[in-house]
Amino acid sequence: EDQVTQSPEALRLQEGESSSLNCSYTVSGLRGLFWYRQDPGKGPEFLFTLYSAGEEKEKERLKATLTKKESFLHITAPKPEDSATYLCAVQTDSSYKLIFGSGTRLLVRP
Amino acid sequence: EPEVTQTPSHQVTQMGQEVILRCVPISNHLYFYWYRQILGQKVEFLVSFYNNEISEKSEIFDDQFSVERPDGSNFTLKIRSTKLEDSAMYFCASSASSLNQPQHFGDGTRLSIL
Repeated sequence: EDQVTQSPEALRLQEGESSSLNCSYTVSGLRGLFWYRQDPGKGPEFLFTLYSAGEEKEKERLKATLTKKESFLHITAPKPEDSATYLCAVQTDSSYKLIFGSGTRLLVRP
Repeated sequence: EPEVTQTPSHQVTQMGQEVILRCVPISNHLYFYWYRQILGQKVEFLVSFYNNEISEKSEIFDDQFSVERPDGSNFTLKIRSTKLEDSAMYFCASSASSLNQPQHFGDGTRLSIL
């Protein structure tokens, strides 16, 4: 069964304290892995798509990487406005749907 | 920046009633989706829609549910005979294509069944 697991469930950081969020996946055939940010009461906001192992994408303080079994979202020198839930989702090569993980709730304290 | 819009933001309905959730996808997108998120749970796929027909649906999407694109801009989800367990956030999404293109989500409709 296709599955996505995110860790940790929650993460508290001081402003400027870098860290990484993990997304491990088990799928029959990966078409793409997607990272989203979700603020309370809002829909998921697209951040990155990764297609193949070794690929990396960057946007401001965020960097996403992909291996054959997992993806990492690295947050460098985070700011309080980076506080949100970060969702990982995969799309398999046999389906249109996104399969989401449970998310990591990130809180960055000033 | 183009965005997906959903109405209403909150819908309260008596159990057994029918509801229609509305979405306006991004204008040049061709693929449309509905997802739901029960409080405290994962976002889960309901249905995808392309070229005026359902392209894929989940086990959740049974005869109680239907989707329609009544005109060139709207995309709707109808839930008949609502049940308490239908209470959730319902998200609409759209993508330019189904292959490798990100799905862009609206801010959802919170459906509360009393």
